[in-house]
Amino acid sequence: EAQVTQNPRYLITVTGKKLTVTCSQNMNHEYMSWYRQDPGLGLRQIYYSMNVEVTDKGDVPEGYKVSRKEKRNFPLILESPSPNQTSLYFCASSFLLAGGPFEQFFGPGTRLTVL
Amino acid sequence: KNQVEQSPQSLIILEGKNCTLQCNYTVSPFSNLRWYKQDTGRGPVSLTIMTFSENTKSNGRYTATLDADTKQSSLHITASQLSDSASYICVVRGSTLGRLYFGRGTQLTVWP
Repeated sequence: EAQVTQNPRYLITVTGKKLTVTCSQNMNHEYMSWYRQDPGLGLRQIYYSMNVEVTDKGDVPEGYKVSRKEKRNFPLILESPSPNQTSLYFCASSFLLAGGPFEQFFGPGTRLTVL
Repeated sequence: KNQVEQSPQSLIILEGKNCTLQCNYTVSPFSNLRWYKQDTGRGPVSLTIMTFSENTKSNGRYTATLDADTKQSSLHITASQLSDSASYICVVRGSTLGRLYFGRGTQLTVWP
């Protein structure tokens, strides 16, 4: 089944404790992206990747890191999480068409709480 | 500044009625615009995509329109169903490869 998977789905952690949220897709998509969703603010792009070893900042990259060493995986790293990073996180992937992302397929989301 | 504004913020309609959601954008140059539906607690799912040369596109009971001159798009839902209750998000792609601009969504509630 074609899908985007994220782990963990739920996470409660404390300020400053490094964490990684994994994202994997099995559709051979070039493009992958991370978003956070907060009430009243909608989805905001954190980082995106056009292909292996190619990443770039979105709207709200501060406090986050990403890497794209393999085509199927795009982990999101919080080196020192803070309470303002409490949010619902989505990973998405897509083929590229005319140089940009086509239809994105979203993962199920990761609900992160930082105490 | 590249922005996407959606209206209304929320909307309540009765089952069987029609409704229209609006999306205005300032993203320039424009590449394409996509409407997504997001059920509560789930990831968004694509409904339709509009490119510069398209004015109208339908997907079942959903019809999207685009006026690239005025930078406006609308999503019309016909004969609404309870399952249409969701957030509808407008997403615009500009010239920067990979950057996408999201509206805050319209929360639609369909009552029986």
